[in-house]
Amino acid sequence: EVQLVESGGGLVQPGGSLRLSCAASGFTFSSYWMSWVRQAPGKGLEWVANIKQDGSEKYYVDSVKGRFTISRDNAKNSLYLQMNSLRAEDTAVYYCARDLGYYDPLAPDYWGQGTLVTVSS
Amino acid sequence: DIVMTQTPLSLSVTPGQPASISCKSSQSLLHSDGKTYLYWYLQKPGQSPQLLIYEVSNRFSGVPDRFSGSGSGTDFTLKISRVEAEDVGVYYCMQSIQLPPWTFGQGTKLEIK
Repeated sequence: EVQLVESGGGLVQPGGSLRLSCAASGFTFSSYWMSWVRQAPGKGLEWVANIKQDGSEKYYVDSVKGRFTISRDNAKNSLYLQMNSLRAEDTAVYYCARDLGYYDPLAPDYWGQGTLVTVSS
Repeated sequence: DIVMTQTPLSLSVTPGQPASISCKSSQSLLHSDGKTYLYWYLQKPGQSPQLLIYEVSNRFSGVPDRFSGSGSGTDFTLKISRVEAEDVGVYYCMQSIQLPPWTFGQGTKLEIK
């Protein structure tokens, strides 16, 4: 059974940093593209970033470029999102998701339960 | 960025009746490889999103056959042949022909009458 468990969310002040983690199990983590998708309170879904199997390709939504960094550790079956210079508009539930694709990213198929990040003073 | 527009934004359906959601993209989602990169998700209340349909019309593993997807180019439709109580939630379409960014529709909230 595919399992994705996010952690690391919490309350942070504007301008602060947070590192999210996602522990994967039930599949060969190193064989899949992975993504982060967020959802602001009461709002829709917004794709944030994704990363290739070996970490050699990464893509970001414009609003987080230069502030967020996606990374992975295949030896630990873990995905990360380093978030710096956080803003109020980054407040959201952040979901870790596995991708359908292999050679190219296609779309998330399995999602974690999410971790809430609140940016507020 | 490709804009995804869903209609309606909400619908109320009697159990056993059909439901239909439209999704229009601002650019064609047909790739030169012949595939169309349009996906449908359902987010049930209090849960994470779940993949229903991939590449316009393919049901994902475990998805009941009352769900079907159709369309081409820029116009797509998700249909539920007979709505059940467990189908309540918010439905999203998503495009992945352009990266970055992948973009989602605004969501369509399905309620049971």
